[in-house]
Amino acid sequence: GENVEQHPSTLSVQEGDSAVIKCTYSDSASNYFPWYKQELGKGPQLIIDIRSNVGEKKDQRIAVTLNKTAKHFSLHITETQPEDSAVYFCAASKSNSGYALNFGKGTSLLVTP
Amino acid sequence: GAGVSQSPSNKVTEKGKDVELRCDPISGHTALYWYRQSLGQGLEFLIYFQGNSAPDKSGLPSDRFSAERTGGSVSTLTIQRTQQEDSAVYLCASSFFGAGEKLFFGSGTQLSVL
Repeated sequence: GENVEQHPSTLSVQEGDSAVIKCTYSDSASNYFPWYKQELGKGPQLIIDIRSNVGEKKDQRIAVTLNKTAKHFSLHITETQPEDSAVYFCAASKSNSGYALNFGKGTSLLVTP
Repeated sequence: GAGVSQSPSNKVTEKGKDVELRCDPISGHTALYWYRQSLGQGLEFLIYFQGNSAPDKSGLPSDRFSAERTGGSVSTLTIQRTQQEDSAVYLCASSFFGAGEKLFFGSGTQLSVL
């Protein structure tokens, strides 16, 4: 099955700096790559996703890049704010009915004022 | 309800007892997932339902774990003869059709096995 590796496991940045989280996947047939944010005591929420037919996607301060050849994708958060502090999970799957989403182990991001 | 509802939110049980965890997905969502999150760990996939059938049960850790979904809606995850290592947050998620789509997660059930 799909194996997703995520790094780093913890990340501390100062407010206003950028944060980058990287993931690799094993199944070359995977074509859907979402990122989820989990705040304390809550379930994860989708913040951005990318499909294999594009290399980059942006949404305000958040961007995701995908390198299909190398089988890795990254989350970039610019101008970080304290409210960005949370655990971030990357995931990968094949976008066909019958396949589940496989998650990385998460990155705990702390943004200090 | 506007979101995925899970009950109970907290469950404390004694080792060896059986527990049932319930998930009410968003109305109209055909896909339903169960994940387990141990303290400080990632999201461990357990089982995936498409309608009432489970195309992927590969994540169930042992035969003490089972799940069912009825009427294409409510799902129950049952853990028999609970062990201390079963202690975790059990998360349920749903989506319209399945993989390749946004998952909507519930807040989870915190299970503590004493």
